[in-house]
Formats: sequence, structure tokens, C-alpha cells
Amino acid sequence: EDQVTQSPEALRLQEGESSSLNCSYTVSGLRGLFWYRQDPGKGPEFLFTLYSAGEEKEKERLKATLTKKESFLHITAPKPEDSATYLCAVQGTGAGSYQLTFGKGTKLSVIP
Amino acid sequence: KAGVTQTPRYLIKTRGQQVTLSCSPISGHRSVSWYQQTPGQGLQFLFEYFSETQRNKGNFPGRFSGRQFSNSRSEMNVSTLELGDSALYLCASSRDGNQPQHFGDGTRLSIL
Repeated sequence: EDQVTQSPEALRLQEGESSSLNCSYTVSGLRGLFWYRQDPGKGPEFLFTLYSAGEEKEKERLKATLTKKESFLHITAPKPEDSATYLCAVQGTGAGSYQLTFGKGTKLSVIP
Repeated sequence: KAGVTQTPRYLIKTRGQQVTLSCSPISGHRSVSWYQQTPGQGLQFLFEYFSETQRNKGNFPGRFSGRQFSNSRSEMNVSTLELGDSALYLCASSRDGNQPQHFGDGTRLSIL
């Protein structure tokens, strides 16, 4: 059974204070690891897909990295508009391989 | 390009009733997945459809069912509603299930 654990559950940062969110996963075979951002009252918004260990993706102040057991979402010089819940999900290659298994998310608050 | 559209946005029902939720995927996307999101359990996979066929089903009781039409639009039905069914129900689409899934803003279902 695929499992995803995200830490911390919540994170408060001052504007400009860089940090990282962690996503630990277990999956029999990894088809892809996904990062989403979810704002209150909205559905998750797709950010990145990572497919293999060592891969990195960047978008504005966000950078996602992947190892064989973890993924990190690095946030550089965050702004208040980066406040949201960040969700990590995996898609395996085993039976039922079309579903995403999600972690419970990290709620990020960026204080001006 | 229009995103995933879910209707209605909000629903209030009473125990024992049934409900049908609707999802229109992004144009060209043939895979539609449904998820339940609650504060305690996070996002949990319900089922996935591709070309009118259910390919995967999550660990939910038979009261939860779905279908997909030839135009890729999908509906989800919950019968004999229970208080615990109160949740945000999210629909996601992708081209064939192996690309990133894009989510709608969900239907907020409240059971009284």
C-alpha cells in the first residue's frame, strides 16, 4: 500500500524567510510524485511532477527535488501570497496505478 | 482553456437521502477521478474512469458509485447518506490517467 507523510503539518514564516517542506513516501514502484497547492475553498492546483530520483523542477520561488524516499519543496524568499496548503501525492506502477495517494499537507502561512 | 467544472458547488442533504454530483473534465481529457476530502482523512481516492469504464476503485462502501459518459463527463452518486459523508468531493481529469491530474473546485456536501 502506497503511503505519503508530510511534515511539518503547519509552518509560519516571515516574508523573505526561506524554508523547506518534506514529503516522505513508500511505493512499490514510482510512476510520479506530484506537488499541489490548495487555497481555502478551492481545489488543488498542480505545481510539479517528478519522475525519478535526482530530478528537480522550479517555478518562481518554488523548487521541488526528489530522492528515492523523499521529496522536498523549497520555498525561497516567500511572499504572503505563497500562503496555502501544499499537498504531496504519489502515483505507483502497481495495481490501481491510476490513483493518487495524498499526504495530509503542510499549511504554510507567510507573515508580512 | 476551460478547467474542470463541478456542479453544484454546495449541497445540503439529510441522512438517508441520495445525491448526484457532476464533473465536466478539461477538453481532450478522457480520465476522470473522484476524491473525498475531509479534515481528518485528507484526500482519499474514490474511483477512476476512462472511456466509460471504471478502472480503479478506492476503499469506500458500495453506496458510492459513479459513471462516465461518452463525452467524458462523469457523475458520482452517493445513496443512503450518512453524517460521515459530509466532505468536499473533488473531481480531477487527465489525458489518460498517466499525466498530472487537474482538479476542479469541488462540491461541498453537508449532511444534516
